[in-house]
Amino acid sequence: EIVLTQSPATLSLSPGERATLSCRASQSVSSFLAWYQQKPGQAPRLLIYDASNRATGIPARFSGSGSGTDFTLTISSLEPEDFAVYYCQQRINWPPITFGQGTRLELK
Amino acid sequence: QVQLVQSGAEVKKPGASVKVSCKASDYTFTSYYMHWVRQAPGQGLEWMGIINPGGDSTSYAQKFQGRVTMTRDTSTSTVYMELSSLRSEDTAVYYCARGGSGSRINDAFDIWGQGTMVTVSS
Repeated sequence: EIVLTQSPATLSLSPGERATLSCRASQSVSSFLAWYQQKPGQAPRLLIYDASNRATGIPARFSGSGSGTDFTLTISSLEPEDFAVYYCQQRINWPPITFGQGTRLELK
Repeated sequence: QVQLVQSGAEVKKPGASVKVSCKASDYTFTSYYMHWVRQAPGQGLEWMGIINPGGDSTSYAQKFQGRVTMTRDTSTSTVYMELSSLRSEDTAVYYCARGGSGSRINDAFDIWGQGTMVTVSS
């Protein structure tokens, strides 16, 4: 099973700042890495697929990069609605499909 | 618009079974894989398994093998997830999520249901 480790666990920032979230895989997942955003009481929403492609309707301030074992989700300038929990997910070596434990992006 | 609508919240006793439904609309139901993911209170996301609505094949996470059954009804564009021998640790929100189509079985989950809360309590 591929383990995904996200860091930091919590990130405290202010609107307008840049957010950088990390996801590291225990073995290569090539580019089969996705990022999801989840707000309280809501289902997750797909942000980035295949490491660097924005999903439909996702603002350009969200970007993804990386391949192999190290990946980054960057939010260039935080908006108030971006404060949420973010999960990475790998789909190359499954079952099982695995998720990281999440990074909570909170308002400073 | 494309959406997945799940059945309502359930309360079950330990040892019982629960069956959650997920109805798809506004896309070709048999063309896209469907996954089930659960989330215990305050915890992260856990993948349970996948069903191919076009062919009825399934693949389950080893953790749930023998306790989970995923089925589909093409006449109503609905997939079902049944979990048996429930225990308190199964208390969670259960989500269905649309995956890829055809050869793109590794695609990300682009559409999610609203979630179904299952509470297991004596």
